[in-house]
Amino acid sequence: QKEVEQNSGPLSVPEGAIASLNCTYSDRVSQSFFWYRQYSGKSPELIMSIYSNGDKEDGRFTAQLNKASQYVSLLIRDSQPSDSATYLCAVTGGSYIPTFGRGTSLIVHP
Amino acid sequence: DVKVTQSSRYLVKRTGEKVFLECVQDMDHENMFWYRQDPGLGLRLIYFSYDVKMKEKGDIPEGYSVSREKKERFSLILESASTNQTSMYLCASSPDQGHTEAFFGQGTRLTVV
Repeated sequence: QKEVEQNSGPLSVPEGAIASLNCTYSDRVSQSFFWYRQYSGKSPELIMSIYSNGDKEDGRFTAQLNKASQYVSLLIRDSQPSDSATYLCAVTGGSYIPTFGRGTSLIVHP
Repeated sequence: DVKVTQSSRYLVKRTGEKVFLECVQDMDHENMFWYRQDPGLGLRLIYFSYDVKMKEKGDIPEGYSVSREKKERFSLILESASTNQTSMYLCASSPDQGHTEAFFGQGTRLTVV
């Protein structure tokens, strides 16, 4: 059974701080990694994708991938109250079917 | 922009009813998925399809069936709705088998009473 693990949180950070969200996965042949943001009552929306080891930056968001450790993370710099949401990690392995973690709840307080 | 549209945002059905949830995507994607999302359990895959008339069971197919008669449309069917099928249902699509991201519809909140 392929597994994607995330700390459920909530992770609480003050406005302007860096939020660090972590995800581990069990399938060593995993190839693609995604971070989705989901506001309460809404559907997930893609915010970052990463396919190779290292860092990928997009605005205030940085995704980090370490395939040897089977670990992917998302950093949110200058966190804003509007970043408060649940963040889902998704992984695709030998198939194209995304497997999702249960999500980490992030709260950014003013 | 990719658009995945689910036919209903909210549904209330009675126990034993046959329920149809419809999903349409407008980007010519090969792959389509149905998930349900419950608090504390995350997204669980019900069924998926990688081509017209093709379907594969996901992790929790019991009590559900699907239909994909056209490439753009993927329907989820609850043969006889039960209260434990009360959930948020999410449809998603993705292009080909190149490990690309999935795009979600707005979700259907189904309540079975």
